[in-house]
Amino acid sequence: DTEVTQTPKHLVMGMTNKKSLKCEQHMGHRAMYWYKQKAKKPPELMFVYSYEKLSINESVPSRFSPECPNSSLLNLHLHALQPEDSALYLCASSLHFNQPQHFGDGTRLSIL
Amino acid sequence: QQQVKQSPQSLIVQKGGISIINCAYENTAFDYFPWYQQFPGKGPALLIAIRPDVSEKKEGRFTISFNKSAKQFSLHIMDSQPGDSATYFCAASVISSGSARQLTFGSGTQLTVLP
Repeated sequence: DTEVTQTPKHLVMGMTNKKSLKCEQHMGHRAMYWYKQKAKKPPELMFVYSYEKLSINESVPSRFSPECPNSSLLNLHLHALQPEDSALYLCASSLHFNQPQHFGDGTRLSIL
Repeated sequence: QQQVKQSPQSLIVQKGGISIINCAYENTAFDYFPWYQQFPGKGPALLIAIRPDVSEKKEGRFTISFNKSAKQFSLHIMDSQPGDSATYFCAASVISSGSARQLTFGSGTQLTVLP
């Protein structure tokens, strides 16, 4: 079991729905990341939070909205997604920016 | 210049054999080179990592070899086991904008170890 917990494990939603993905870690890590991974491809960085502040947004469409309520929690709010957004969404954390990243097992998202 | 090229795309090895995966990079500013192992339905797990001031690092059956002048690094899995069957990603990172250590991933290698 990983120490980065993501919920839900699977999510199916329609294009007009609003849903949220949740990521939690209790390792005292102060950097948290969202990645998107398509089948047989490497993870692609979406967002980076450092000390609860958004540090990097890799030109992600506004239908993805990240939130970091505290140092242990990271959310990704989803709205009006497209079928091509279907993917595995991975959360990762690291002690600080210059430390190894540890990944959760992801949320498998399917857009109908 | 941010790319990391990984080969082969897929690899089949007999149990007990040596698995070798290679990566090459262009950006000489990269200063951290991790390898991740990913099983189906799971997230990538950090396997082993190396800094450019070291030419080799070994952890159990896993060894990273690093050639700074050639800008290449490789993962060697000794005595490969069926349980090693997974997708392996090399990666590289550099401190950019004085903050985030962003990972640039290779394209991945699907390793199958036959019993």
